[in-house]
Amino acid sequence: DIVMTQSPDSLAVSLGERATINCKSSQSVLYSSNNKNYLAWYQHKLGQPPKLLIYWASTRESGVPDRFSGSGSGTDFTLTISSLQAEDVAVYYCQQYYSTACTFGQGTKLEIK
Amino acid sequence: QVQLVESGGGVVQPGGSLRLSCAASGFTFSSFVMHWVRQAPGKGLQWVAFIASDGSHKYYADSVKGRFTISRDNSKNTLDLQMNGLSAEDTAMYHCVRALKGSCSSTICFSYYFDFWGQGTLVTVSS
Repeated sequence: DIVMTQSPDSLAVSLGERATINCKSSQSVLYSSNNKNYLAWYQHKLGQPPKLLIYWASTRESGVPDRFSGSGSGTDFTLTISSLQAEDVAVYYCQQYYSTACTFGQGTKLEIK
Repeated sequence: QVQLVESGGGVVQPGGSLRLSCAASGFTFSSFVMHWVRQAPGKGLQWVAFIASDGSHKYYADSVKGRFTISRDNSKNTLDLQMNGLSAEDTAMYHCVRALKGSCSSTICFSYYFDFWGQGTLVTVSS
């Protein structure tokens, strides 16, 4: 199975500041025939089901604020929140869907400093 | 609106069985692949199983292979997960998840990203 490793495990950022979460896959999730990275990001708030934020590594899901952005290719990816808001407190997960076993990273807990 | 409502969770003894169900509404169920994803207490998300949109292909995490069976009924818009040989390590919230359909052939089917999650049903394995 493809192993997804996120860093850091937890992160505290001041309101209005930038938050950056990294995700590394054990093998490339870039599909050469369509040049797409099979990588998604999810936000999981306490008491709610996870929510899709980003897919194809950088495409924002409809309704997701534009302060959320995804970047990267191959094996290294980043989720950036440009200006942290109080409602962004959550655990964030990356996930690959390159293989039939769709594995997640271990999660990054984002808090307000 | 899209709804995924899980049911069937509860407390079961080690070695026991449980069948989870997910009722889907608000979208064309047969056009989407479906997954089960779980979260153990204090842990992260773990993919469990997925089934192709027509039920032709099924895939399982190694940790549940041979014990869990995923199935769907497109005429009733339902997704099921039969869980046998349960152990404490299976204690978790189980989410029914919709995903975009990827490429499929006669031998293999792929899922794309997970675009909608149910609230989940809690399974506790304890004596």
